[in-house]
Amino acid sequence: GNSVTQMEGPVTLSEEAFLTINCTYTATGYPSLFWYVQYPGEGLQLLLKATKADDKGSNKGFEATYRKETTSFHLEKGSVQVSDSAVYFCALTDSSASKIIFGSGTRLSIRP
Amino acid sequence: NAGVTQTPKFQVLKTGQSMTLQCAQDMNHEYMSWYRQDPGMGLRLIHYSVGAGITDQGEVPNGYNVSRSTTEDFPLRLLSAAPSQTSVYFCASSNLRAKGNEQFFGPGTRLTVL
Repeated sequence: GNSVTQMEGPVTLSEEAFLTINCTYTATGYPSLFWYVQYPGEGLQLLLKATKADDKGSNKGFEATYRKETTSFHLEKGSVQVSDSAVYFCALTDSSASKIIFGSGTRLSIRP
Repeated sequence: NAGVTQTPKFQVLKTGQSMTLQCAQDMNHEYMSWYRQDPGMGLRLIHYSVGAGITDQGEVPNGYNVSRSTTEDFPLRLLSAAPSQTSVYFCASSNLRAKGNEQFFGPGTRLTVL
C-alpha cells in the first residue's frame, strides 16, 4: 500500500542554518506530494505541493522537488528563522485522490 | 469563507460519557475526515466521507461514530469515552475533483477523558 516515511525528529538548528527534512514515499501510479506545517497550538496548513515528477513546490523560502526516480520529496530551506519552528508533515494523495497519507511528522526547533 | 470550523476547542469528559465533536466547512468540499493526533505521533485517520450519505472507516475507528447528512457537516461521536481517547482531534476537508487537492484543517479540539 501507499506510505510516507520522513526523518525522525526533533531537529534543532541555529538561525540562518540550512535545513533539509527527508521524505520518501511508496505509491503506485502518480501521486501528488505535499508538505504541511503545524505551528504550536494550531491545525495543519499546506506549505507546498507538487503534482507531477520533476515539479518543484515552493513557499516562504521552502522548496521540495518531486523525484520519481528516488521516490523522494525532501524539504529544504536555505536560511531558517526562529519563526520556522513547527512540526512538518510530508504527505501524498494517490491517483484517485480519495485519501491523504501522512508521514509521522518532524519537529523543528530553531535557536536564535 | 470561514473554512473548516470545529467546536468545542477544549473538552473534559469523564469515562463513560458521550459527546459529539462538531465540524463544518463552507467550501462545498465533498471529502471530509477526522484525525486524532497524540503526543509524539503523527495523524491517524478515524473516519472519512467522500460525500453526503457516505462514510467509511479509517485506521482507528473503534469507539467513534460519524454521519454525513449534509455536505457541510461531519460530526464525530464518542459513544462511551475512555482515557485512551484523550487526544487532539482535527477535522479536514478537500475537493476530490482537483488533482493535488489540498486538505484544509480545522483548529482542533483538545479532549481529555478522566
